[in-house]
Amino acid sequence: QAVVTQEPSLTVSPGGTVTLTCGSSTGAVTSGHYPYWFQQKPGQAPRTLIYDTSNRHSWTPARFSGSLLGGKAALTLSGAQPEDEAEYYCLITHSGAYVFGTGTKVTVL
Amino acid sequence: EVQLVESGGSLVQPGGSLRLSCAASGFTFSSSWMNWVRHAPGKGLVWVSRINSDGSNTRYADSVKGRFTISRDNAKNTLHLQMNSLRAEDTAVYYCATLDPHYGSWGQGTLVTVSS
Repeated sequence: QAVVTQEPSLTVSPGGTVTLTCGSSTGAVTSGHYPYWFQQKPGQAPRTLIYDTSNRHSWTPARFSGSLLGGKAALTLSGAQPEDEAEYYCLITHSGAYVFGTGTKVTVL
Repeated sequence: EVQLVESGGSLVQPGGSLRLSCAASGFTFSSSWMNWVRHAPGKGLVWVSRINSDGSNTRYADSVKGRFTISRDNAKNTLHLQMNSLRAEDTAVYYCATLDPHYGSWGQGTLVTVSS
């Protein structure tokens, strides 16, 4: 199965902007991989933020946006809030199955 | 309100079996593809398995292929995961989840501990 890689950790200042990326060992991530993004806080279940590259759910704050960037899926957080401190995971489809990324710990400091 | 409630997790010995269940409500379960995802202590999320809406098509992660079986009962709005030949590395919180764009919901998880 493909290995999907994310930055291990990123730090953003309150009100600042940070971009997380999601790359695949098999090549460029495209819209055909239907990338998802999830947020997970300690002791809680994951929450789906983005589906199909760039679509937000009704509960997803507008400060989160998804895109494709340089052959990778990307999640941009614009105007970071203290409550955005969490682990973020991408997920892509691969050969009919799914693969999670390695996760990015985002610190708001 | 969409709800997914997992059950069936417990302490089991290596080589043992366990059946997890996920009770769904608040959405059209019979139309939704469903997934199992696990989260081991100190590790990242791992996709385990998925099943299509009528149960005719299933897929598994390589790490559980041949040992785990996903199934569903659309009449009872319930998803199952039969886990056999359990190993210590299967220890994790197991979540059921729908990635359906209309719902995008997760349960709260059930803990499976494989240890002697």
